[in-house]
Amino acid sequence: DAGVIQSPRHEVTEMGQEVTLRCKPISGHDYLFWYRQTMMRGLELLIYFNNNVPIDDSGMPEDRFSAKMPNASFSTLKIQPSEPRDSAVYFCASSSTTGRGSINEQFFGPGTRLTVL
Amino acid sequence: KQEVTQIPAALSVPEGENLVLNCSFTDSAIYNLQWFRQDPGKGLTSLLLIQSSQREQTSGRLNASLDKSSGRSTLYIAASQPGDSATYLCAVGNDYKLSFGAGTTVTVRA
Repeated sequence: DAGVIQSPRHEVTEMGQEVTLRCKPISGHDYLFWYRQTMMRGLELLIYFNNNVPIDDSGMPEDRFSAKMPNASFSTLKIQPSEPRDSAVYFCASSSTTGRGSINEQFFGPGTRLTVL
Repeated sequence: KQEVTQIPAALSVPEGENLVLNCSFTDSAIYNLQWFRQDPGKGLTSLLLIQSSQREQTSGRLNASLDKSSGRSTLYIAASQPGDSATYLCAVGNDYKLSFGAGTTVTVRA
């Protein structure tokens, strides 16, 4: 398996532009997570999906952020309009359930480094 | 809200020395605990996962222990090598979500 795939790996954009980050989870995993990592705040969970359904989006910072998972093999995180404070590394991760009320290891993608000028 | 603390924030040791990395958490009602490694500018690599019913997990030179009652986990790395230099992150699982510590940055000197 290729692992979790994210694109693009680097994105530089200007304030006010729309940004779309993409993720392909590991095949067979039914949980998908979006995280953001900054020096100031560390790793923060933004939103997660189970079987393509958003379960908890309490970490999404503002209405400018939205995420979708149209099918089991694809998810997007969109920022519109982008602002300089959105500059960070965005990670996607996937996992499967143990069947006993918890999840197995989370596997992370390589991340997308976003710079908003 | 789960709070995860890792001490120390940074550690420098000579090659061959054993490493001890500490993680503490405030809410003991956890599902599992996961240790990750992150190299500069890279993603996270899963090292070990301990389910709440387990006391420890081992993989090669790595051993992680879990004491839920005291809210602590320790990652031991035996006979450290320069290639072990990285940031190590502890993540505690509650209700399908992971809460991360800030990490311990390890430097192993050759």
